Amino acid sequence: DSGVTQTPKHLITATGQRVTLRCSPRSGDLSVYWYQQSLDQGLQFLIQYYNGEERAKGNILERFSAQQFPDLHSELNLSSLELGDSALYFCASSDHLAGELFFGEGSRLTVL
Amino acid sequence: AQSVSQHNHHVILSEAASLELGCNYSYGGTVNLFWYVQYPGQHLQLLLKYFSGDPLVKGIKGFEAEFIKSKFSFNLRKPSVQWSDTAEYFCAVKVDKIIFGKGTRLHILP
Repeated sequence: DSGVTQTPKHLITATGQRVTLRCSPRSGDLSVYWYQQSLDQGLQFLIQYYNGEERAKGNILERFSAQQFPDLHSELNLSSLELGDSALYFCASSDHLAGELFFGEGSRLTVL
Repeated sequence: AQSVSQHNHHVILSEAASLELGCNYSYGGTVNLFWYVQYPGQHLQLLLKYFSGDPLVKGIKGFEAEFIKSKFSFNLRKPSVQWSDTAEYFCAVKVDKIIFGKGTRLHILP
């Protein structure tokens, strides 16, 4: 158990819908990272937050947004969903900017 | 922009064989390097990391990696693999953000 909690574990929804994925980092970790894992693209970095502020942005679509709240949990919002958004979404946390990542078990999103 | 390349997408070995998985990155400055493993149905776990110092890094479960700065490489090695090493292995590099390679699926035959 990494200490990072992600909900929901599985989510099935339809095209055009909106979903929210939630992540609770390890106790004391200030950094939260979001990654998308798909068979063809591998593990793609989406976005990173540090203590509530956005720190780095990767290949995150405009239809996607994220935030980190004062209690350090984070949410990834995916809207106007398309079939191609079906993937495993991982959250990871670290205790400082240079530290190793601890991953959650992922949220598997299926868009039908 | 930083990037990571893993040479082998799929590797099949017999138990007790030696393993080397290639990883190259593109960035000219100081980097932190990682290898992660994802066992079937599980989340990614850290195998080993390099921040500075001795370029030969030892990790968990008998894995090691060597950082060769002149080659921009951080190859993962294990002298004798076991069936339980069947997993997907990811190399990652951190500059301002942590970028992962596309992964290498390792299948060990019993």
